[in-house]
Amino acid sequence: DARVTQTPRHKVTEMGQEVTMRCQPILGHNTVFWYRQTMMQGLELLAYFRNRAPLDDSGMPKDRFSAEMPDATLATLKIQPSEPRDSAVYFCASGLLYEQYFGPGTRLTVT
Amino acid sequence: GESVGLHLPTLSVQEGDNSIINCAYSNSASDYFIWYKQESGKGPQFIIDIRSNMDKRQGQRVTVLLNKTVKHLSLQIAATQPGDSAVYFCAEDGGATNKLIFGTGTLLAVQP
Repeated sequence: DARVTQTPRHKVTEMGQEVTMRCQPILGHNTVFWYRQTMMQGLELLAYFRNRAPLDDSGMPKDRFSAEMPDATLATLKIQPSEPRDSAVYFCASGLLYEQYFGPGTRLTVT
Repeated sequence: GESVGLHLPTLSVQEGDNSIINCAYSNSASDYFIWYKQESGKGPQFIIDIRSNMDKRQGQRVTVLLNKTVKHLSLQIAATQPGDSAVYFCAEDGGATNKLIFGTGTLLAVQP
């Protein structure tokens, strides 16, 4: 049963600290997405990759957020420095054409 | 101060009844539509999809209807069960491959 995995599942950190979230997409999927979900904004697309190349990161605050795919089995989302307003659940999703399969999310709390 | 979150439309149904969740989409160029189910503490889960060249598609206990004239999408759940309680999102591709635009979601509450 292929699934998207994300680590860590929960992260509590202090303002100003660096946070790295990791995602393992489903093997064979060529598109990877990062979303953020909050009560205020709902589900927002931050960035996505196709064949490891970044296609769109317009939803991401570029001064503190960065997304990379070092290889086909790993996607990372980094926040440096983190701020309390970054507190949210961050989802990774992968897919081939249109369907997207979501991971369980990383719940980030920045104090 | 008091935080204000998104006001999710809520549909409350009795167990065993049929549920209909509606969604208005924004882009007439959208070619592909998906319904997702998100249970508390979990990621969105794919339920069913439909292409713009169809107006109806059926799955197991679920049916998606597409009305392109009024840009309306609906999800029908037959014989709703407590396990169907979740937030349901519709999503459209906006005419662009791979990228999905999500709606704000509808909370389905199933009463036993």
